Amino acid sequence: DVKVTQSSRYLVKRTGEKVFLECVQDMDHENMFWYRQDPGLGLRLIYFSYDVKMKEKGDIPEGYSVSREKKERFSLILESASTNQTSMYLCASNPPPGRETQYFGPGTRLLVL
Amino acid sequence: QQQVKQSPQSLIVQKGGISIINCAYENTAFDYFPWYQQFPGKGPALLIAIRPDVSEKKEGRFTISFNKSAKQFSLHIMDSQPGDSATYFCAASGDNNNDMRFGAGTRLTVKP
Repeated sequence: DVKVTQSSRYLVKRTGEKVFLECVQDMDHENMFWYRQDPGLGLRLIYFSYDVKMKEKGDIPEGYSVSREKKERFSLILESASTNQTSMYLCASNPPPGRETQYFGPGTRLLVL
Repeated sequence: QQQVKQSPQSLIVQKGGISIINCAYENTAFDYFPWYQQFPGKGPALLIAIRPDVSEKKEGRFTISFNKSAKQFSLHIMDSQPGDSATYFCAASGDNNNDMRFGAGTRLTVKP
């Protein structure tokens, strides 16, 4: 059974704090993704990684960075959290090519006060 | 810009009825069209997907209809059940690893 896990289900942070969201997949997938999910906007791609240490910006990378030091782990970093980053964050993975099914984690609901 | 437009935003259907969700895309390079189902507190999970070489795909009570010339596709849920109540996302992707684009989502409620 495929599995994508996210380190936290709920997080509450203060404006200006540095926030780390961790994602781990056990399927040996090359591709990993970070999305944010907002009502009425669907899922929007923040960053994508197709290999260890490789990353590409998605549609909304501003205010975020990522790290992929190991194949199974993809971290999303909010360098200085702001209230407009309050959202649901979803991690996903899939094998190439990009059209293959994406497997999602349960999400992290982040509240920035 | 929303590359995949989904409607309606929310849908209420009686048990046993047909639920229909529509999507339209812009990029003619898209050639894979999945639907994802998301229950509260869970991540989205693949429900059914279609490629443009067929106009319809059916899996149990779920059917995708695809119209390539109109660049539209839709999900039909026959005999809708309360357990189908969830948020549904359409998506579209092409050759590139990172070009899957999602619709805004439809919150489906099936009343008993």
